[in-house]
Amino acid sequence: EVQLVESGGGLVQPGGSLRLSCAIPELIASSKFTSWVRQAPGKGPEWVAVIYSSGEVRYADSAKGRFTISRDNSKNTLGLQMNSLRPEDSAVYYCAADARNLMFKYWGQGTLVTVSS
Amino acid sequence: IQMTQSPSTLSASVGDRVTITCRASQNIDKWLAWYQQKPGQAPKLLIYMVSSFESGVPSRFSGSGSGTEFTLTISGLQPDDSATYYCQQYESYPLTFGGGTTVEIK
Repeated sequence: EVQLVESGGGLVQPGGSLRLSCAIPELIASSKFTSWVRQAPGKGPEWVAVIYSSGEVRYADSAKGRFTISRDNSKNTLGLQMNSLRPEDSAVYYCAADARNLMFKYWGQGTLVTVSS
Repeated sequence: IQMTQSPSTLSASVGDRVTITCRASQNIDKWLAWYQQKPGQAPKLLIYMVSSFESGVPSRFSGSGSGTEFTLTISGLQPDDSATYYCQQYESYPLTFGGGTTVEIK
């Protein structure tokens, strides 16, 4: 089973920053679309950002100006720099990938981000 | 694009035929996916492009629809199908998910 592996979650105060990382298995490293999707407790998934293999990026309105998605193709890693964090950003953050289109075939196990004082 | 699922919860018996509806606030053509999520796990892609099966998905799952109204059908509900199901549109940004339908086994 192909699985991505996230890291970097934790407890941070409102206004703080956190950087998430995701290791992408070699088998799917060429996936055209890699995204971050988050899920608050008891809620449905919410797409956060995507980066294409070309480098093009798109963000949800909730992430624009605060979050930055990046990809290091030499290390097969996906990153999410999160600044100016708010309590409503608290969620499990998943990295997800697909080679075909903007659905999500491959997922990680998720990393929990808690924004609280 | 807002995605609205109904019902939010349903309870059915093993062997029943179950239908979940997903409505889009505007035309998304065929760009719709369905996911299954069990507690403590990441969502699992079941169907994409309305009716195309992801590999390994049991044939009792099927998808249909077009434009703004879509359905996920489970023909012959099994105990392992107890989960929450989400639709997702990928016709345009921002990518959006439905609110989910929790399927319980009686």
